[in-house]
This record gives sequence, structure tokens and C-alpha cells, in this order.
Amino acid sequence: NAGVMQNPRHLVRRRGQEARLRCSPMKGHSHVYWYRQLPEEGLKFMVYLQKENIIDESGMPKERFSAEFPKEGPSILRIQQVVRGDSAAYFCASSPWGGHEQYFGPGTRLTVT
Amino acid sequence: DQQVKQNSPSLSVQEGRISILNCDYTNSMFDYFLWYKKYPAEGPTFLISISSIKDKNEDGRFTVFLNKSAKHLSLHIVPSQPGDSAVYFCAAFNGSGQKLVFGQGTRLTINP
Repeated sequence: NAGVMQNPRHLVRRRGQEARLRCSPMKGHSHVYWYRQLPEEGLKFMVYLQKENIIDESGMPKERFSAEFPKEGPSILRIQQVVRGDSAAYFCASSPWGGHEQYFGPGTRLTVT
Repeated sequence: DQQVKQNSPSLSVQEGRISILNCDYTNSMFDYFLWYKKYPAEGPTFLISISSIKDKNEDGRFTVFLNKSAKHLSLHIVPSQPGDSAVYFCAAFNGSGQKLVFGQGTRLTINP
């Protein structure tokens, strides 16, 4: 009974490179959420997706960030032209249809050098 | 604008005693609340939740209390155990959306 899976767990990118973070939801879950945690802060909502649809992206920065959840395969959070301020822990969560509780993956720690 | 606030950054409790973690919110549209526990370098783990139609929910050593008029909820852990040492996050969302709004977290340390 695998939980939410994220990879890579750690990612180091130089300024200007692209970062791709992957998330596979729990089996049977059709809703995926991405959150970002800066040091010493709580988690901040970024985007909510269902298969092939972005439902709410109100927390996504307007530029350089995009997310998708294709019909097949994991959800991807993409950050183009990374800057030092993008360094953070990025968590993915999933929930079943109609469920309130969101279950989180272990996170990807992005470091921009 | 911090809609969910955990005003105590840290809390230290003796093993076997009760731990009480507090959370306040400002948005009266919130109708579902959750507590998560987080260890370093891991993702948050769901602990317990409560709907706004209730004022208490219990699960083993964990009880969550909700006071809607005060816009306040608390998590009670009794008895506290060393493995409970972690950061605890309070989170909320409203029925019209699915995004969780998190507090800043409280670091709980259980002393032997």
C-alpha cells in the first residue's frame, strides 16, 4: 500500500536551470496538490490538479512555474530559470475524490546554487 | 495575511503528561480542520481532523477541540510519549475549495 511518492528527494540546480519535480499519488487518489515550505515557515498552497485539469493555481507564481497531471504518469511541477529564492521543500499531497484529508509525500528539497 | 496562526513556536512537555497545542484562525468560512505531524526531512503525516459541525473528535491519545465562536482549536495528546516530539501543523480549508491553509507550526519536545 504505497503512499504518495516524490522524486527526486533532493535536487540541486544552478541559477537559470530548470527543475522538474515528480509526484505519484496514492493508489485510488485522483486529486493532487503541490505545496512549498520555506525555512521556518508553514506550507503554502501552490496548485491543485485532477487528471488533465488544473483546478486551482492561485498559489502559483505567475512566471516560471507550471504544473501538470497527465492522463498517464506522475504529476510534474516544473520551475524554469530557477533563482536562489526557489530553494525550498516542495511537497505533493493527494486525496481521493470527495475526501477532506490530504496525504503527503516525503518532499523534494530543491537547492539553487 | 496569516489566516491560520499557531502562536507558540515551541512547547516542551514531560513524558506522560498532557501536551496541548493551540491554533487560531480568522476566516469564518473555514469548515474543516486538520492536524499534521512532521518529522525533519519527511512529509507531514495526517493525525486527526474535525468538521465545523462538531466540537470534539477523539482518536486514541489524540483529541481535537474546536471552539467556533472563538475561532480556536486545540490538539491534546495524552499521555505524551518521546516519539511525539515533532513539529505540529494546524491546517484548515473551506468547503468551496480544496487548498489547505497551514499555520506556522509548533515544535513539540517531549522530555523523558
